[in-house]
This record gives sequence, C-alpha cells and structure tokens, in this order.
Amino acid sequence: DAGITQSPRHKVTETGTPVTLRCHQTENHRYMYWYRQDPGHGLRLIHYSYGVKDTDKGEVSDGYSVSRSKTEDFLLTLESATSSQTSVYFCAIRTSGGLFNEQFFGPGTRLTVL
Amino acid sequence: SQQGEEDPQALSIQEGENATMNCSYKTSINNLQWYRQNSGRGLVHLILIRSNEREKHSGRLRVTLDTSKKSSSLLITASRAADTASYFCATYPVTGNQFYFGTGTSLTVIP
Repeated sequence: DAGITQSPRHKVTETGTPVTLRCHQTENHRYMYWYRQDPGHGLRLIHYSYGVKDTDKGEVSDGYSVSRSKTEDFLLTLESATSSQTSVYFCAIRTSGGLFNEQFFGPGTRLTVL
Repeated sequence: SQQGEEDPQALSIQEGENATMNCSYKTSINNLQWYRQNSGRGLVHLILIRSNEREKHSGRLRVTLDTSKKSSSLLITASRAADTASYFCATYPVTGNQFYFGTGTSLTVIP
C-alpha cells in the first residue's frame, strides 16, 4: 500500500463549510496527487505536488486548494464546500523511475456535502 | 481531455472464462498501467507496461500494448468470482507529470 493513509475516511459536512482532507505517506516520495472519483468520470486529477511547497493544478482544480509543508503530508482544502464536491477523494504517490513511474493510492475519503 | 477510454464499460462472464478489456488513449506515453478497484475500496496497482514493451505477464494477467494504435488490452485468464471489480487503465505521457485515467470497465464474474 506504499504507506499511504488518508484522514478522515468519511466526512459529512454542510454547504459553505471549509473542509480539509489529509494525505500522509511514509516513504518520502516527491510526487503526490489528489483525485476525485465520480460515477461515469473515472478518476480526475485535482492538484498534484512535486515537492515541498511545489504544487500544480489538475483537470478539476476549481474550488480546491492544496498545501504541502512537509514531504510526508499533502492537504486538500475545500474553502467553501458545495454539493457538487460530494465525491470520493483519493490521494496517490508516484514512484520515481522514468519509464517505470508508478502510482499507488491511499484508501480514499468519502465526502458528503449536504 | 487526454483521458483514456476502456471498452467495454461492463462485462459479465462465467467463472473460468477469460476476460478481455481494452484501453485506448490519445497521446504518446512512457508507460501504461492497469488498476483494479473493488467496490467501495481504493485502487490496486496490477501491472505496468513500458512504451517499448509489447506484452507483459503477471500471473493470470496478460497485458499488451500497441503504441501505433494507442491501445492496450488486459486479459484475465481463468477468471474467478474474486476478480469481480472495476478495472482502470492509466497512461503516463512522455511530457508532463500527470497520469490520465480511463472511466473503467466493470467486470462481473458469475460463480
């Protein structure tokens, strides 16, 4: 499982409230990713990080922000949650190796915005 | 979008049969990876095939890659009920740092 944990695993919140999801890894990987998974859409990239304080936007970044102050932690924040952000959120790391770059996922966080 | 597409979207077979699912993508890639996701769970990495490889095996899994057609296939031989899951392909392009996922194939293996 590449030592990836996510917290919380489940969360129910109300529209307009801020929400922060945490991804923690134990193997010092440089690259970390946040995805959301919705029926019919597969996995879509929200943001990713390529080092401490280095982040970039993905396909569906609107309404989300990220921070990475330590190699092991990558935080995803919904500043003001909306019902459209109800989803399952996955964190992933990327191993380094050119043609061998692989991705490994955390267990996911199920977020419900009422 | 550079997202890949899996085909078929859903597949139902009897235990013991082989299951084949396909993935098409749009850009030049470094590698292509297949994942399994059981219902309500995270994604599990199954196999990686590099752009300079044409075929790869891992246990009951066989993956092929045709870069000229920008397509890959995943074959699961002698399927088992425990293989019931969704299967996703993901590509890692030559340029960029992102992986691009398809929408998945839902496989049901009937005991």
